[in-house]
Amino acid sequence: QSALTQPASVSGSPGQSITISCTGTSSDVGGYNYVSWYQQYPGKAPKLMIYEVSNRPSGVPDRFSGSKSGNTASLTISGLQAEDEADYHCSSYISGSSLVFGTGTKVTVL
Amino acid sequence: EVQLLESGGGLVQPGGSLRLSCAASGFTFSSYAMSWVRQAPGKGLEWVSGISTSGSSTYYADSVKGRFTISRDNSKNTLYLQMNSLRADDTAIYYCAKRQKGATTPPDYWGQGTLVTASS
Repeated sequence: QSALTQPASVSGSPGQSITISCTGTSSDVGGYNYVSWYQQYPGKAPKLMIYEVSNRPSGVPDRFSGSKSGNTASLTISGLQAEDEADYHCSSYISGSSLVFGTGTKVTVL
Repeated sequence: EVQLLESGGGLVQPGGSLRLSCAASGFTFSSYAMSWVRQAPGKGLEWVSGISTSGSSTYYADSVKGRFTISRDNSKNTLYLQMNSLRADDTAIYYCAKRQKGATTPPDYWGQGTLVTASS
């Protein structure tokens, strides 16, 4: 199973909106509404930000939103803040209890 | 508060073995599927293995199938990963992760990770 494809880096100014894409196939992203997104600060464990394409766990700001079209999922951060500077990883359920992760995207707040 | 504490990582020669443990607390361990996810230095996340609530069903990434074994002891609230025939490309931080509920759900809580280095 190949990793999902994400852009290596995305940047934006405070207050702007950015979107991170996550491209897979019909066997993963396109086949299930089980796409998740994680935020990870350097040296820290990942934190779940979005699950089932567009749902936010309790405590995640509504500036974070998710969507999907065909084999590509997207994470949008609206009203970008300095604290949003981190790595972001997408993931998709594929079968059994198996998951596939994306290549990861570094978000820089200019 | 959900807590996951990994242990057992370290330096091992290629071809060697290690057993990772993950002590869970703050939730009903036996009610949740669990996973191991790893991250090589400077790289993205890679799902390694998953296990059902009872331990009767186990799943592996192709990269570790036949070399790694996942298990759990619900009486001790502990998850394990037995790693044999380690290779240099197994070098990574290994995270223990609780699934949100069942097999299709994503990991929602992660431990801080334990570093495994396979090198001579």
